[in-house]
Amino acid sequence: LAKTTQPISMDSYEGQEVNITCSHNNIATNDYITWYQQFPSQGPRFIIQGYKTKVTNEVASLFIPADRKSSTLSLPRVSLSDTAVYYCLVGSDSNYQLIWGAGTKLIIKP
Amino acid sequence: GAVVSQHPSRVICKSGTSVKIECRSLDFQATTMFWYRQFPKQSLMLMATSNEGSKATYEQGVEKDKFLINHASLTLSTLTVTSAHPEDSSFYICSARAIPRLEDDEKLFFGSGTQLSVL
Repeated sequence: LAKTTQPISMDSYEGQEVNITCSHNNIATNDYITWYQQFPSQGPRFIIQGYKTKVTNEVASLFIPADRKSSTLSLPRVSLSDTAVYYCLVGSDSNYQLIWGAGTKLIIKP
Repeated sequence: GAVVSQHPSRVICKSGTSVKIECRSLDFQATTMFWYRQFPKQSLMLMATSNEGSKATYEQGVEKDKFLINHASLTLSTLTVTSAHPEDSSFYICSARAIPRLEDDEKLFFGSGTQLSVL
């Protein structure tokens, strides 16, 4: 099972772009990469998922280099409400739900 | 996205009592549901995988007689913490996988969690 490594915490300011990088050196061929957001005392919320290259949706972008050993979640123009813990998860359909890393606590300042 | 309803959101009980937590998929069928536990400032830890109509599969170190899981229908799974003790106090979260897959990317849908406090 692939394991992930993320920075424990990050700070930024309102209106800035925030990039959170996740390392997954042992990612398998069938694994995809998913990012979740979690607020205190709430369940995780899906942000974005990708397999390779770049994926963009209405809330974020996900950049995955060719070797897929890392991925970067990009949050454009963050606001105070983006303060949360962000988790990077890798896995295939058979093991996707198994291992959650420590996550990155993102604090957005005014 | 699809909705997973989890109840209760918060429960306080005395030591030795049992607590049941419900997880429902409201607008989709979930043949597989997952139960997690999360301690303060820590990540989610998978406790068990619940398959409709069969026994749950527990992760190593999780007592199956302590944490009873029932998945009797395609839309409901329950977790019962039996004879709860203060060390069982934690945030419990369920998630469900939609079958067939509702969207190409989003694969797991999470409940809002249950904060259990055992006095």
